[in-house]
Amino acid sequence: QKEVEQNSGPLSVPEGAIASLNCTYSDRVSQSFFWYRQYSGKSPELIMSIYSNGDKEDGRFTAQLNKASQYVSLLIRDSQPSDSATYLCAVNWQTGANNLFFGTGTRLTVIP
Amino acid sequence: KAGVTQTPRYLIKTRGQQVTLSCSPISGHRSVSWYQQTPGQGLQFLFEYFSETQRNKGNFPGRFSGRQFSNSRSEMNVSTLELGDSALYLCASSPITGYSTYEQYFGPGTRLTVT
Repeated sequence: QKEVEQNSGPLSVPEGAIASLNCTYSDRVSQSFFWYRQYSGKSPELIMSIYSNGDKEDGRFTAQLNKASQYVSLLIRDSQPSDSATYLCAVNWQTGANNLFFGTGTRLTVIP
Repeated sequence: KAGVTQTPRYLIKTRGQQVTLSCSPISGHRSVSWYQQTPGQGLQFLFEYFSETQRNKGNFPGRFSGRQFSNSRSEMNVSTLELGDSALYLCASSPITGYSTYEQYFGPGTRLTVT
């Protein structure tokens, strides 16, 4: 059974702090990993994609992938109240396919 | 570039009816995937279409079906609606080429309510 697990939170951090969001997945053959942000009542918005072990940075966001530990994380530096949302981890198990398996999401609240 | 568009945005149907939802992908994107989002089950994959062919299918009953047209636009159909089909139905498109091959971009969704 393929699974993607996230801590549902809520995770609260003060404005300006680093928010750390974690995700584990069950299948070692997973190929592609994604982080989406979803505001209440809106559709998911792609923040980061990562395919190789290591870190990938984009502005205030850093995705970290460790395939040996089956672990992917998202760091948000200098957190802003506008970052308050649910963050969804998604895994694409299969090469040549676009069928994402999503975690249940972590709700992040940034306190001004 | 314009984003993924979905129509209608909101829909209310009665049990037993059928419904068709439409999705227009980002220009140049050839893969369209459909997802169902509910509070209880989260986001679940329905199916993916590429070059007018269903390439992958999730674990949903046969009442859920879809198709893709030559211009990459896609429709999904749900027949014999049940109360449990009430959900946000999301369409996502993907370029299939280049570095961002597997990145999927979601439309705003269709909120379906079955009464």
